[in-house]
Amino acid sequence: GNSVTQMEGPVTLSEEAFLTINCTYTATGYPSLFWYVQYPGEGLQLLLKATKADDKGSNKGFEATYRKETTSFHLEKGSVQVSDSAVYFCALTGGTGGYQKVTFGIGTKLQVIP
Amino acid sequence: EAGVAQSPRYKIIEKRQSVAFWCNPISGHATLYWYQQILGQGPKLLIQFQNNGVVDDSQLPKDRFSAERLKGVDSTLKIQPAKLEDSAVYLCASSLAGLGGANVLTFGAGSRLTVL
Repeated sequence: GNSVTQMEGPVTLSEEAFLTINCTYTATGYPSLFWYVQYPGEGLQLLLKATKADDKGSNKGFEATYRKETTSFHLEKGSVQVSDSAVYFCALTGGTGGYQKVTFGIGTKLQVIP
Repeated sequence: EAGVAQSPRYKIIEKRQSVAFWCNPISGHATLYWYQQILGQGPKLLIQFQNNGVVDDSQLPKDRFSAERLKGVDSTLKIQPAKLEDSAVYLCASSLAGLGGANVLTFGAGSRLTVL
C-alpha cells in the first residue's frame, strides 16, 4: 500500500536558519504530494502541493519539489521565523484513480528559537 | 467561507463509556473524512464518505466505532464502548471531491478524547 516516511523530530533551529524536512514515499501510479502544517491549537491546513513529477509547490517561503526518481518531496525554507514553529506533515493521495485516500506521515515538529 | 466545524473540542470519559463527535463540513464538499491522530503519530483514516455513502472504512474498528453522514452533510462518529487506546484527537476533514488526484482536505480543529 501507499506510505509516507518523514524525518522524526523535533527539529530545533535558530531564527533565519535554513530548514529541510525530508519526506519519501511509496505509492503505485502517479500520486499527488502535499505538505500540511499544524500550528499549536489549530487543525491541519494545506501548506503546498505538487501533482506531477518535477512540479515545485511553494507557499509562505516554503518549497518542495516532486522528485519521482528518488520518490521524495523534501520541504525547504531558506530563513525560518519563530512563527513557523509547528508540526509539518507530508502526505500523498493514491495514484490509481477512483476514490483516493490521503495518507499522512508521522509529522515533524519544528521549533524555531529567537 | 465557514470552515469545518467539530464538537466537542474536548471530552474526558471512563473506559467502557460511550462518546459521540459531530462534524459539519464546508458547504458543498462532497467528501468527508474522519481521522484518528494519536499523540506523536500522523493522522490515520478511519472512514471516508462520498456524499452519504461509505467509500473506505477499512481501518475503522467496527466492533466499537460507528459513523454516519446524514443526508450527505454533517456526520457523527461514535465510540462504544471506549478503550484506553482510543485516547486521541479525532479530526474531521472535507474536500470537494474524492475522485482524482490533488485532493485538498480542509480540516476542523479536532476533538480531543481522553479515556481514563
